[in-house]
Amino acid sequence: DVKVTQSSRYLVKRTGEKVFLECVQDMDHENMFWYRQDPGLGLRLIYFSYDVKMKEKGDIPEGYSVSREKKERFSLILESASTNQTSMYLCASSVFSDNEQFFGPGTRLTVL
Amino acid sequence: AQKVTQAQTEISVVEKEDVTLDCVYETRDTTYYLFWYKQPPSGELVFLIRRNSFDEQNEISGRYSWNFQKSTSSFNFTITASQVVDSAVYFCALLTYNQGGKLIFGQGTELSVKP
Repeated sequence: DVKVTQSSRYLVKRTGEKVFLECVQDMDHENMFWYRQDPGLGLRLIYFSYDVKMKEKGDIPEGYSVSREKKERFSLILESASTNQTSMYLCASSVFSDNEQFFGPGTRLTVL
Repeated sequence: AQKVTQAQTEISVVEKEDVTLDCVYETRDTTYYLFWYKQPPSGELVFLIRRNSFDEQNEISGRYSWNFQKSTSSFNFTITASQVVDSAVYFCALLTYNQGGKLIFGQGTELSVKP
């Protein structure tokens, strides 16, 4: 079974803090994705990566950056957290770009 | 523009009722994929089905069935004899190559199955 894990289920940070959200997949998938989920808006893509050290902007990249130094790990970085980044963050991976994505359990981030 | 619309925000049924979740998509691409995901209260999205644009055959998996109709750009999901464990948020999603392989999600339908 594909396993996608995220470093924290719940996280509380203060405005202006630098925040790291980690995602690890164990199935040697090429593609990894970061989404945020907000009520009434569904899931929106922040960044994705098709290979190590490669990244592409999604639909809402502002205020975020990513890092993929190893194939299995994809990190989402909030350089200076703001209250409007309070959300559920979901990581996903897929073997090919047109295949189904497998999701992690999510990190619920609250920025105070 | 690529878009997925799930017009039903919330649906509430009683156990053993059949229920259909609607999904309408928009794309000008001829090659695309459609997906359904289930998000139970635990939060983790669970993959249910993937369909490509060239395969309009309906699919049945146990109590779940999917009706793909290109003529109406719809990919509806039916649960037969619903159970309390079916309570979840269900997302329909579209993937096209013109979007760089990015999944476009609908807003989700929250299904509540009451005993």
